[in-house]
Amino acid sequence: SQTIHQWPATLVQPVGSPLSLECTVEGTSNPNLYWYRQAAGRGLQLLFYSVGIGQISSEVPQNLSASRPQDRQFILSSKKLLLSDSGFYLCAWSLGPNNQPQHFGDGTRLSIL
Amino acid sequence: QKEVEQDPGPLSVPEGAIVSLNCTYSNSAFQYFMWYRQYSRKGPELLMYTYSSGNKEDGRFTAQVDKSSKYISLFIRDSQPSDSATYLCAMRGGVQGAQKLVFGQGTRLTINP
Repeated sequence: SQTIHQWPATLVQPVGSPLSLECTVEGTSNPNLYWYRQAAGRGLQLLFYSVGIGQISSEVPQNLSASRPQDRQFILSSKKLLLSDSGFYLCAWSLGPNNQPQHFGDGTRLSIL
Repeated sequence: QKEVEQDPGPLSVPEGAIVSLNCTYSNSAFQYFMWYRQYSRKGPELLMYTYSSGNKEDGRFTAQVDKSSKYISLFIRDSQPSDSATYLCAMRGGVQGAQKLVFGQGTRLTINP
């Protein structure tokens, strides 16, 4: 069966510091991968998605970037964090290209001080 | 107007009650509809995945889709304290491959023993 791992679970970073969040999927190959952000009391906002190695689509302009260096690895990065980057970051995967549902990891809670 | 509207609650019911959770949407291109359950500090867990209009049942959970009214529902029978969580509706269009999910903001549900 497929599993998804995200780390770290919790992160506290100062304003202006860099960021790297990692997500890996096991038990499948060539998944579609997604990064979402969830603000308190709000739904999920899609940040990036990827259909293959090196292929990244951005949904909203922002201070973040994503990379997919390996088939089942998805990384969310920032060079300089802003206070507004605080939130709950979720990675998800789905089987492509058919219309399969997305499955989520347990997220990283990021606090910017 | 938001693409997907979901009453944020909170909703509190006694154990054993039937729970009805609902979402309305405005985009007639949506064809796939999902319900996710999210416990505190965890990622969303897929509960139900349906295509087009109709009903789908899985144990104590029933999902209904009425595309003519742009209205979807999740019913929980014989509700248990372990059902206490935030429930998110999500939907997407019919194009194959990686697809943006549009989420409701979630309904916080508490089942009281």
